[in-house]
Amino acid sequence: DIQMTQSPSVVSASVGDRVTIACRASQSIDSWLAWYQQKPGKAPKLLIYTASTLETGVPSRFSGSGSGTHFTLTIINLQPEDFATYYCQQATSFPPWTFGQGTKVEIE
Amino acid sequence: EVQLVESGGALVQPGGSLRLSCAASGLTVSHNYMSWLRQAPGKGLEWVAVLYSGGSTYYAESVKGRFTISRDMSNNTIYLQLNSLRAEDTAVYYCASQWQAGEAFDVWGQGTMVTVSS
Repeated sequence: DIQMTQSPSVVSASVGDRVTIACRASQSIDSWLAWYQQKPGKAPKLLIYTASTLETGVPSRFSGSGSGTHFTLTIINLQPEDFATYYCQQATSFPPWTFGQGTKVEIE
Repeated sequence: EVQLVESGGALVQPGGSLRLSCAASGLTVSHNYMSWLRQAPGKGLEWVAVLYSGGSTYYAESVKGRFTISRDMSNNTIYLQLNSLRAEDTAVYYCASQWQAGEAFDVWGQGTMVTVSS
């Protein structure tokens, strides 16, 4: 199975900050990488797929980059509603699909 | 509007069984890849099972032989039969579809809680 590793586990930030979250795959997944946002008690929400494609309705302050084994999610001008936990997922053609362990973005 | 609504979560004893349901609207379960995922309390996301549009199924190793995913096209609903339940199966179970974003999960239900405890 492809292992996904996120860093850091927790990010402390303030409104207006720029936040970067890293995700590493244990083997190349080309651009088959998705990012999700999850708030407490809610289902995950897809933000980005194929590494850099913004899901419809997601604000442009979110962006994704990378390919192969190294990927990043960047949030610029952090807003109060962005404090949440973020997960990466390898979205290759075949299961099992695996997720990173999550990165919590908390208020500094 | 595309929507998935899960039901069936409950408190069950170790070794017991349960069937979860996921009713879909706005998408046709037989035309899409439909999955179940779970999240143990305070933990991350784990994919559990997928039912492809062609009918093929795949399972995570942790549930293979114990869980079964199926669908009812007349009700546009998918199911997850959970047998031989263990304490480590305690989690919120989500139904999700890989609808319009490749193999990313772009449609999610609200989740249903399964607690395995004596």
